[in-house]
Amino acid sequence: EAGVTQFPSHSVIEKGQTVTLRCDPISGHDNLYWYRRVMGKEIKFLLHFVKESKQDESGMPNNRFLAERTGGTYSTLKVQPAELEDSGVYFCASSQVSGTGELFFGEGSRLTVL
Amino acid sequence: GQQLNQSPQSMFIQEGEDVSMNCTSSSIFNTWLWYKQDPGEGPVLLIALYKAGELTSNGRLTAQFGITRKDSFLNISASIPSDVGIYFCAGLKRNNNDMRFGAGTRLTVKP
Repeated sequence: EAGVTQFPSHSVIEKGQTVTLRCDPISGHDNLYWYRRVMGKEIKFLLHFVKESKQDESGMPNNRFLAERTGGTYSTLKVQPAELEDSGVYFCASSQVSGTGELFFGEGSRLTVL
Repeated sequence: GQQLNQSPQSMFIQEGEDVSMNCTSSSIFNTWLWYKQDPGEGPVLLIALYKAGELTSNGRLTAQFGITRKDSFLNISASIPSDVGIYFCAGLKRNNNDMRFGAGTRLTVKP
């Protein structure tokens, strides 16, 4: 069974540009999460989808970040326009059941904003 | 707030040594979890603890859910080179679904 896959694995862009990250969760997992880790810091929650609905987006930093999960399958996270402080590793995770904390993570998308 | 304080930040140990790391918070959590991130990979769940005082083992790993529900520790016995990686604690409250993670403990094991 395929795990959570993320694309791209690494993206280098200039300040002001746009980047779109994609996550394909494990098939059948209704719950999809986005997290971000800035170098040396904690893994921070961004948002949680249940199927195509945003269950909790309290962790989204600001309106430059837009997450979608049309059709309840894969999800995209767009950053527009990117700022220097957006650099970090963006993790996607999925789970079949919510509320247990038992998540399956992707390998992450490293974003570097110059 | 719900910040988790994880320590130590990093550890350099010799193969065969035991390792201990912990996580504390000013908030109460209903679930404590420990994840490990291998280089170039995403975090993988090692142990989940659901009850205060619970002590759970997974091979050479042992984790405990503190009685106060505000802390947890992870022990690794007889470390081996493949234990290298970043270990993250995480706390979850039942009334919401977002998990709080610690900043991680980077473990280096010298053969």
